[in-house]
Amino acid sequence: KAGVTQTPRYLIKTRGQQVTLSCSPISGHRSVSWYQQTPGQGLQFLFEYFSETQRNKGNFPGRFSGRQFSNSRSEMNVSTLELGDSALYLCASSWGGSGAGETQYFGPGTRLLVL
Amino acid sequence: SQKIEQNSEALNIQEGKTATLTCNYTNYSPAYLQWYRQDPGRGPVFLLLIRENEKEKRKERLKVTFDTTLKQSLFHITASQPADSATYLCALEVGNEKLTFGTGTRLTIIP
Repeated sequence: KAGVTQTPRYLIKTRGQQVTLSCSPISGHRSVSWYQQTPGQGLQFLFEYFSETQRNKGNFPGRFSGRQFSNSRSEMNVSTLELGDSALYLCASSWGGSGAGETQYFGPGTRLLVL
Repeated sequence: SQKIEQNSEALNIQEGKTATLTCNYTNYSPAYLQWYRQDPGRGPVFLLLIRENEKEKRKERLKVTFDTTLKQSLFHITASQPADSATYLCALEVGNEKLTFGTGTRLTIIP
């Protein structure tokens, strides 16, 4: 079974721009979660989508948004980029998602640098 | 506020010894606790899950304990090897809430 894939792997943007990141979960997984990882804050939860519906949301501003398609692929969007948005963005998939005691399968991440 | 602390940011252990990593939490009553390994530039990889009613779980050279009274989990790697060098993350799951991660411990096994 193919693992979780994320595109692009690396991205450089300038302040004020917007960016869209993509995540393809493991086949059959219906839950996709997004995390931001920085050296200072560690892994912080952004949001979780399950069957095209946002099920949980972390404490991030509205500039961060996401969606999930009927094939479970997910995208996250960050508008009006700030320098502090530079981070590794990870997505993780599972069959049942939060509250199910399930393993989260992580992708390799997208490294975003905002200049 | 809810908090997960992994008490060592970095830990150096001699090869062959047992590495013990600690995860402490406050204000949670987690249903599950998970441990992940993360190598530089890669996403975390699941290692072990332990439920609130389990005291201990083992997998090969790995052992996890879960003390809900102390609000603490210990993660042990026995007969450590340089290939075990990585960052180890604990994560808690409470009800239907999101999986919340600790800040991680960077483990280095010295040959």
